[in-house]
Amino acid sequence: EPEVTQTPSHQVTQMGQEVILRCVPISNHLYFYWYRQILGQKVEFLVSFYNNEISEKSEIFDDQFSVERPDGSNFTLKIRSTKLEDSAMYFCASRDGQLSNQPQHFGDGTRLSIL
Amino acid sequence: SQQGEEDPQALSIQEGENATMNCSYKTSINNLQWYRQNSGRGLVHLILIRSNEREKHSGRLRVTLDTSKKSSSLLITASRAADTASYFCAPARYSTLTFGKGTMLLVSP
Repeated sequence: EPEVTQTPSHQVTQMGQEVILRCVPISNHLYFYWYRQILGQKVEFLVSFYNNEISEKSEIFDDQFSVERPDGSNFTLKIRSTKLEDSAMYFCASRDGQLSNQPQHFGDGTRLSIL
Repeated sequence: SQQGEEDPQALSIQEGENATMNCSYKTSINNLQWYRQNSGRGLVHLILIRSNEREKHSGRLRVTLDTSKKSSSLLITASRAADTASYFCAPARYSTLTFGKGTMLLVSP
């Protein structure tokens, strides 16, 4: 069964550094998402992306965050200047947009640790 | 808010028993989805029920939806130790999903 894959599985970065989290969504999917989960807390929506532009974003997704689909397969989340509170699991998800009422498929996440 | 609220927060049962988790929400929806998350892993989609459906089955899973009460339930029959995980409901009007704190299910051998 097709999967959403995320790399790296664990990223350790110094505070203030830029980090790029990578995702390969399921190939025929049209909608892409990023979520984060701070340790012990619930999964929070960050941003959705469709047709090469952001379709919705949460309050968490401030100017430090950006997303990009640089080619036909990758979907990236960039955090420009990381803060300690950015430490979390980041999950990518994708959805088939051809039909309505389709579920999102999640990757296994990238654990981001900011030192 | 589209966020679902799961109940109970934690549930501990023996293998072979059934597990029932409930979800309540506040807004109108197009569908409601249930997901499972094993510790340290991503969310796995279990089942989606449309707003015009009342019950849906998938293997050992049975989901009900009552849009008049804005509630849903997930029943796992004949539970196994491998069912140990957190379970989340996600009521969806558009494509964005909002997750609650979930129900943490522990199935003991």
